Parts: sequence; structure tokens; C-alpha cells
Amino acid sequence: DAKTTQPPSMDCAEGRAANLPCNHSTISGNEYVYWYRQIHSQGPQYIIHGLKNNETNEMASLIITEDRKSSTLILPHATLRDTAVYYCIVEANAGGTSYGKLTFGQGTILTVHP
Amino acid sequence: SAVISQKPSRDICQRGTSLTIQCQVDSQVTMMFWYRQQPGQSLTLIATANQGSEATYESGFVIDKFPISRPNLTFSTLTVSNMSPEDSSIYLCSVDRGPGNIQYFGAGTRLSVL
Repeated sequence: DAKTTQPPSMDCAEGRAANLPCNHSTISGNEYVYWYRQIHSQGPQYIIHGLKNNETNEMASLIITEDRKSSTLILPHATLRDTAVYYCIVEANAGGTSYGKLTFGQGTILTVHP
Repeated sequence: SAVISQKPSRDICQRGTSLTIQCQVDSQVTMMFWYRQQPGQSLTLIATANQGSEATYESGFVIDKFPISRPNLTFSTLTVSNMSPEDSSIYLCSVDRGPGNIQYFGAGTRLSVL
């Protein structure tokens, strides 16, 4: 079973920031938070991941609360192409030889409007 | 990153037949994963394929129904055997390009069973 809870859907205006929440209240100390998205008719795409510090890359920012029980994915300037299902996943990371599987929940359908 | 090619991209099959799906990666990887995505649903892991050993199947999936081959570090196949309409799904392969347990997915194979 998925270890995360996400709202089923969200809307965002194009050009505005999209803030996608995720609850993971039972997260363990060695588990990371991963975000993937799936655009219609494509395979899932990795976005970002983190353990306890906030992370930022060219796609998004990940804000993890101090108690690690929740996080927020931020798309700073959403475009129509960001319309997708966003999955928040909690899994252990075995480091350099990691081979952990991913358990997908239902995700959040983000719709970006013109 | 990784470039993953899946073949076929889609197929329509008759019940009782079998279909073999191929997954080719552009570089050597230790672990490959096979997922199923039923219509309107999230992804469910079928099995993990490690080169040189038997695949590890998740609960609810058996080798007789979903035999997997992993002949080398860049290639794997998943066979959907004795198909029924309930097997109509998207089947996706992914690879783990650690560190970080980041998985890269193929575009998927859309299977319809009549």
C-alpha cells in the first residue's frame, strides 16, 4: 500500500506557482520522498527527491517539513505542459547500489488552465 | 538519465493468446522493473528483474502468467500469457539508475485483449 496521501485533483493558472501537497505521516528515518509525474499517454517522469532538506532543481522545488510528515512540490511557473498526474512516493534509498521499488498511489491530477 | 525503448507500443490481441513485450535500455543497468497500469488506475509493480537470476514477483503476480527474461544488462522481456480482457492495461518497464533510486520509464505498451 502507498504510504502517502495526496488530494485527487488541483487546478492552477498558467504562469502561477503550483503547490502540490503530500502527507506521509508514517515515514521512516531512512525513507526518501520522491516525486514523479505522468503526462497523458507517457511513462512516469522523475521530478525530484529529498530526505529532510529542501531541494531544488531545474524542474521544481521540494519543501519537506521539519518533522518530515508532509511535503510540498512547487512548480514555480506552471505551464500548460505541466498538466499531468503527480505522484508523491516514499521509499527507502539503499544509496549507491539502490534498487528499491516504487509504490505508486493514486496521485494528484494537476490541471493548468490558460 | 536513460533511454528506454519498449516494443510494441500497442497491440490488440485475442483472448487465450500470449504477447511478449520487449524493453531495451541504452546502457547497462542492474535492475529492471515491470509495472502494470490498468485503465484509470495507478501503476502496480509486477516484478523486479535482475540479470542472471529469477525475477522477483509481487503479491498477486505469478511467473506462469507473467514470465520475464533478463538475458543481459540492457534487455528484458515480459510475456503476458493466456490473455483475457482483464489483462487490458498499459505495461511499463523501468530501470534504476542509482544513486538515489531514480527510475526511468519507457513509454509503455498499450494492450487491449478482445
